[in-house]
Amino acid sequence: TQLLEQSPQFLSIQEGENLTVYCNSSSVFSSLQWYRQEPGEGPVLLVTVVTGGEVKKLKRLTFQFGDARKDSSLHITAAQPGDTGLYLCAGEWEYGNKLVFGAGTILRVKS
Amino acid sequence: EAQVTQNPRYLITVTGKKLTVTCSQNMNHEYMSWYRQDPGLGLRQIYYSMNVEVTDKGDVPEGYKVSRKEKRNFPLILESPSPNQTSLYFCATASDDVLTQYFGPGTRLTVL
Repeated sequence: TQLLEQSPQFLSIQEGENLTVYCNSSSVFSSLQWYRQEPGEGPVLLVTVVTGGEVKKLKRLTFQFGDARKDSSLHITAAQPGDTGLYLCAGEWEYGNKLVFGAGTILRVKS
Repeated sequence: EAQVTQNPRYLITVTGKKLTVTCSQNMNHEYMSWYRQDPGLGLRQIYYSMNVEVTDKGDVPEGYKVSRKEKRNFPLILESPSPNQTSLYFCATASDDVLTQYFGPGTRLTVL
């Protein structure tokens, strides 16, 4: 059983569409991170959210941390083919200095 | 250029044949970690090291060994690989903030 559940598992959309990816848990996390991973490469950190209710923007990407610090979302506006990749969320486990990863959402943006 | 290097990038081996996957970093980071990535399971931590000569088990340490004799290197050793260790392996490093991790490019291991 995954501590962090990501949905959807797979998403295929057309260029220009908007999308939202979710990361949910029944546990509270001290902070939550989003990574993007491209084929043949390691995950690259996009953002860390720390405060419940926090919203961070990175160009066309908007990240939100739930008020109760149990969930997060990643919203992409006007998706582009370059956004294609595996998106991973990772939570800072409150009982230790470690990260717990979700299984990821595979995003494919078609031109 | 700051980087994390893993070797080999791809390896096909047979059950029981000892192997080592190397990880090297040039960022002078104290924290290093190994993960395995499997479909539907995400990244799971195998071992981590907070500093030289200090290593600790992660969530899935069985069948693996590590060593940290010097700061820049953190090899992953499979003494007797088995097919269930077929996976994509990532090394990661971090400085003071161990939660901001930098990942290597990955090693795809197949054990027949």
